[in-house]
Formats: sequence, C-alpha cells, structure tokens
Amino acid sequence: DQQVKQNSPSLSVQEGRISILNCDYTNSMFDYFLWYKKYPAEGPTFLISISSIKDKNEDGRFTVFLNKSAKHLSLHIVPSQPGDSAVYFCAASSNSGNTPLVFGKGTRLSVIA
Amino acid sequence: DAGVIQSPRHEVTEMGQEVTLRCKPISGHDYLFWYRQTMMRGLELLIYFNNNVPIDDSGMPEDRFSAKMPNASFSTLKIQPSEPRDSAVYFCASSADLYYGYTFGSGTRLTVV
Repeated sequence: DQQVKQNSPSLSVQEGRISILNCDYTNSMFDYFLWYKKYPAEGPTFLISISSIKDKNEDGRFTVFLNKSAKHLSLHIVPSQPGDSAVYFCAASSNSGNTPLVFGKGTRLSVIA
Repeated sequence: DAGVIQSPRHEVTEMGQEVTLRCKPISGHDYLFWYRQTMMRGLELLIYFNNNVPIDDSGMPEDRFSAKMPNASFSTLKIQPSEPRDSAVYFCASSADLYYGYTFGSGTRLTVV
C-alpha cells in the first residue's frame, strides 16, 4: 500500500524549459513534505520541503506546490539544467502521527542539452 | 563531519551466505534509519532506531533480516541466509529529528547470486 505515489517513473525535458514532477499521497495525517534528489552511486540528498500550513515554497530555481485538498504536491524546476538530471524522490512525514519519512518510488528526470 | 558512512560500498555474495552491512551515523543524531531501494518498491523503510533502541521494525521483510545498534556511532544490518531477491541498494540515514532532515549514506549495493 503506497502512501506516497509518484506515478511517472521518468521524465525528459529540454534544457531551459520547466520540469514538473508530481507526487500524490493518501495519508491525511501527513503534514510535512520533502523532495530528495539522487545521483547514481550516491545517497539521496535533501532538496526542498514544505509544511502543510503553506501551499508554496521557493528556493532559487526550485519551487514546491502543495494542494492539500487534492493530496497532491509538485516540484517545479525552472529553468532546467543538465545537472538536474537525477532521480527525484517525494517524501512525507507526520508530526502528529509520529511517522518517519515515507518515500515514493522516484521519478528519473533527464534534462537534454 | 564526514556524513553518514556505510560499508562496504558493494557486496557480492552467494545465496545462503550471511551478509553484514555497516553504518556510522552523524555524531549527535539520535535517529538512525535503514532503507532499501528497489525498482519495484522504491525507497522502503526497514527499521529505525532512536537513541540506539529499535522503535519500528515492521518494514523488515523476514526473520532473515536483523539490525542492531550497539552504540550511538555504529549500526549493522544482517541478512542470514541471503537470497537473490535481497539484491538491492541498502541505505543508512541519520537525523536529529524523526520528521525531516535525514542525511543518507552512499549506500551498499548488494548482489546475491
């Protein structure tokens, strides 16, 4: 039973264009959401996060949007660069539910020069 | 700080053999997590510790898997006996908090033949 779902295993985008990675969750107790980025042969590294009290968080080229009613979040990368090519994991946790991070299966982003 | 250190980086073993994966968390982090990454299931939580005590091992797939944390600076994940379906990348992560800020190691790629 996947509580965090990333339904697109892969995404290919032209350099300079926008990349949009999507994530859905089923557990209404989740109140904190994160995106991790993973390069081959390395561990995942934290990219950006958002609390459930917000609907948007921005950090440079990266913006995360949260739609609580739809239980959906997305990561926007603008403009996309070849160095952004990696696997992106969506994760969620619940402070009130005492739940550690639950990860999705990941989306492999390829940015083509 | 050198980050979370895992060893070995790669392990190839024969079916039926015992495998031990090792992890040194970041000093001062009270939480330690073992995750497994596969194509089918993404990043799944196997077990986590708080102050060296196992809190939730519901993700451990079978009795063949066991994990220990004898002190704050060392943890092991053992598989005995190993099977080909255990082939995956195993990540250790540590954190000062249960809900965010996990730092991952570089992982151990396990291949059971």
